[in-house]
Amino acid sequence: AAGVIQSPRHLIKEKRETATLKCYPIPRHDTVYWYQQGPGQDPQFLISFYEKMQSDKGSIPDRFSAQQFSDYHSELNMSSLELGDSALYFCASSLNTGGFGNTEAFFGQGTRLTVV
Amino acid sequence: AQSVAQPEDQVNVAEGNPLTVKCTYSVSGNPYLFWYVQYPNRGLQFLLKYITGDNLVKGSYGFEAEFNKSQTSFHLKKPSALVSDSALYFCAARGFGNEKLTFGTGTRLTIIP
Repeated sequence: AAGVIQSPRHLIKEKRETATLKCYPIPRHDTVYWYQQGPGQDPQFLISFYEKMQSDKGSIPDRFSAQQFSDYHSELNMSSLELGDSALYFCASSLNTGGFGNTEAFFGQGTRLTVV
Repeated sequence: AQSVAQPEDQVNVAEGNPLTVKCTYSVSGNPYLFWYVQYPNRGLQFLLKYITGDNLVKGSYGFEAEFNKSQTSFHLKKPSALVSDSALYFCAARGFGNEKLTFGTGTRLTIIP
């Protein structure tokens, strides 16, 4: 079965550079979530999209932005990178929660971002 | 605000023994509860969920979880542990109408041969 695809799997950037992470949800899933997981930490919710509109926002820095495109893939854009941005970034997708929140999210393998 | 607590950072269980990984939650209204497992350098893998109905839900790999509304708990259980169950386990919760899935801090489960 198709899973959530994230690219790239690994990314190394220097401070103050920009990075773009891509997420391709499971086919027919219309909701995408982004999470950040620091070393030894639990995943922290960043932002979510439902039907290409932002549906919820968590602890996403102002330096980060995200969007969901017409084909439902999503991109997380990160600017002015800081050392503290080094983390595993997960994308997850689910089908039509429609605001009810009762469906599970399926996670991708993650993108490991290292800022040096 | 919703929150999830996993009081044990580490749980060690002998192979073949029953295991329990604890989770308590706080959400507004009816909770939707989930368990995920994470293997090293891998994404989170869905195990099971509670939405409504029977308090005991069964999931993948022989895992089950018991929803207790009065104690606001959703403990993960398995009757007989396998060495391959060793991993990091996350409990997650969201309230009705909330897209944000809130995770606990994770419990590292180690099954001792």
